[in-house]
Amino acid sequence: EPEVTQTPSHQVTQMGQEVILRCVPISNHLYFYWYRQILGQKVEFLVSFYNNEISEKSEIFDDQFSVERPDGSNFTLKIRSTKLEDSAMYFCASSSRDPLEGGYTFGSGTRLTVV
Amino acid sequence: AQSVTQLGSHVSVSEGALVLLRCNYSSSVPPYLFWYVQYPNQGLQLLLKYTTGATLVKGINGFEAEFKKSETSFHLTKPSAHMSDAAEYFCAVSERGGSEKLVFGKGTKLTVNP
Repeated sequence: EPEVTQTPSHQVTQMGQEVILRCVPISNHLYFYWYRQILGQKVEFLVSFYNNEISEKSEIFDDQFSVERPDGSNFTLKIRSTKLEDSAMYFCASSSRDPLEGGYTFGSGTRLTVV
Repeated sequence: AQSVTQLGSHVSVSEGALVLLRCNYSSSVPPYLFWYVQYPNQGLQLLLKYTTGATLVKGINGFEAEFKKSETSFHLTKPSAHMSDAAEYFCAVSERGGSEKLVFGKGTKLTVNP
């Protein structure tokens, strides 16, 4: 069964450093998303991406965050200057033509720890 | 704004017993509704969804959920729990005709005792 692949599975970084979280969505999917889950809290929407541009972003997704689909297969989330409160599990997801009818496919997540 | 409430952050059942995980939502329009399951060290897997039509929805692994508009609920059930059902379960809602983003509940961790 097709999978969404996220790397790395765990990342530890120092406060103020830049991190890039990588995702390989399912090959024929058109919609891409990042969500995050701070330990003990809800899974929260960060951003959606379609047709090579951001289609929606949440209040969390401020200027410190950016997304990119650099080569037609990868989908990355960059945090420019990490803060302690960025520590969370970050989930990438992708969806085919009709995301709500078909549902998303989520990756296994990257656990980011900012120290 | 949409919201999802999952009653009970932890639910414990015996193997073979009924599983009932509760989900209530708040939405200004009838939403799309989803249940996701997360096994340890894995991603979120879609269990079932309600978009339109029959209000009783069947999903994978013997789970089903019923959309009750009058109660704004979408509770998840399974007649007989199996040890392999131990996982965290998330209810989610999305706005019909609006944003495709999902709004999640806090999750319910299901423990199945032998």
